[in-house]
Amino acid sequence: DAKTTQPNSMESNEEEPVHLPCNHSTISGTDYIHWYRQLPSQGPEYVIHGLTSNVNNRMASLAIAEDRKSSTLILHRATLRDAAVYYCILRDSVRNTGNQFYFGTGTSLTVIP
Amino acid sequence: DTGVSQDPRHKITKRGQNVTFRCDPISEHNRLYWYRQTLGQGPEFLTYFQNEAQLEKSRLLSDRFSAERPKGSFSTLEIQRTEQGDSAMYLCASSTSTWGEQFFGPGTRLTVL
Repeated sequence: DAKTTQPNSMESNEEEPVHLPCNHSTISGTDYIHWYRQLPSQGPEYVIHGLTSNVNNRMASLAIAEDRKSSTLILHRATLRDAAVYYCILRDSVRNTGNQFYFGTGTSLTVIP
Repeated sequence: DTGVSQDPRHKITKRGQNVTFRCDPISEHNRLYWYRQTLGQGPEFLTYFQNEAQLEKSRLLSDRFSAERPKGSFSTLEIQRTEQGDSAMYLCASSTSTWGEQFFGPGTRLTVL
């Protein structure tokens, strides 16, 4: 699977929007963009995923660049519970060898009260 | 609680001992994954089952590691002759499809003295 690049850490004030960037310049046409987050002392949890169009769910929004070489996870109002490590992952939707996720080191988000 | 469960949550062992971890996936999920996570890193894929068949293994899974899923339900991960480098969090995840959302358990933290 193609790799992603994320900033090591970011900070946000509570109740403000957060934009978490991810670069994936080698993305292929069949790669889905997944976001997971990992709260302290817990296993990762799914946040959102998309292919080409922007996506919204109850947790977040995913904005995908037109050339698909980058994407941004948007948390509309950060809360203290959103403090976590956020992972941007590419998953090939065609090759069956794409069963595993490559997590990388992710972005550690700190939310300031 | 109908999520993924793992047992034990913590394990301390001496170098050279064998350890076994158990994962109980969400009941209708036929796909099960094992990951290893060391401090400051994202989870790394170890192996993957579809029902009882082990379909994929990472090069990280040395000969000392073995995983089973005998009836396509729970899975075990055994590490023989543990080494200090095996100290890590071992995460289990399950899903209903190859490219769908993975649901993670809380992990088993292994410390090898």
